[in-house]
Amino acid sequence: QSVLTQPPSVSGAPGQRVTISCTGSSSNIGAGYDVNWYQQLPGTAPKLLIYGNSNRPSGVPDRFSGSKSGTSASLAITGLQAEDEADYYCQSYDSSLSGSGVFGTGTKVTVL
Amino acid sequence: QVQLQESGPGLVKPSETLSLTCTVSGGSIRNYYWSWIRQPPGKGLEWIGYIFDSGSTNYNPSLKSRVTISVETSKNQFSLKLSSVSAADTAVYYCARTPYSTSSHDYWGQGTLVTVSS
Repeated sequence: QSVLTQPPSVSGAPGQRVTISCTGSSSNIGAGYDVNWYQQLPGTAPKLLIYGNSNRPSGVPDRFSGSKSGTSASLAITGLQAEDEADYYCQSYDSSLSGSGVFGTGTKVTVL
Repeated sequence: QVQLQESGPGLVKPSETLSLTCTVSGGSIRNYYWSWIRQPPGKGLEWIGYIFDSGSTNYNPSLKSRVTISVETSKNQFSLKLSSVSAADTAVYYCARTPYSTSSHDYWGQGTLVTVSS
């Protein structure tokens, strides 16, 4: 059972904007731990999309953006494209679990 | 370009020990954390633990009694051992690099499926 909760699915038409929430608590996101986001295309390993709440690694399109506030974080995808159809996971750390890492429950993004 | 490659048996019998190795190429294993993450078929990601090149570790409390992660810097490798496995441990196992500065997982192996079955 994950301590970071995400909606199971979100969908949008090409070109639209979608957001994915990641809800945590005072022992993880609210404790000041950074949030990272990963994209997992079918049959492949996860790929780092956002690190340190809002930073994009080199090569990640600026259509992807991240934010954090209080005990939650969000990933936004603007100008949705067909190739964005994938599973997305947030990740942080948790002081109540001795600082171990935790992943979100995952969100399936469908491009209509 | 940093590359990671998992290796080890794809089939393990119940109650035995799962052993995997991750070989790092294109960069040094020094000065980074190195992580193991798994994903049961059709399910989400589960963080297993990490090790620093000095040997210090941090494990998921739910697996801590069964997990050992070790590092062999001379071979640019780190390893995972999970004891007393059951069918619930069937998953794709990934190794990943974890920079201290970001604590994210910036490079991943392709993953290896380990099935626990008699």
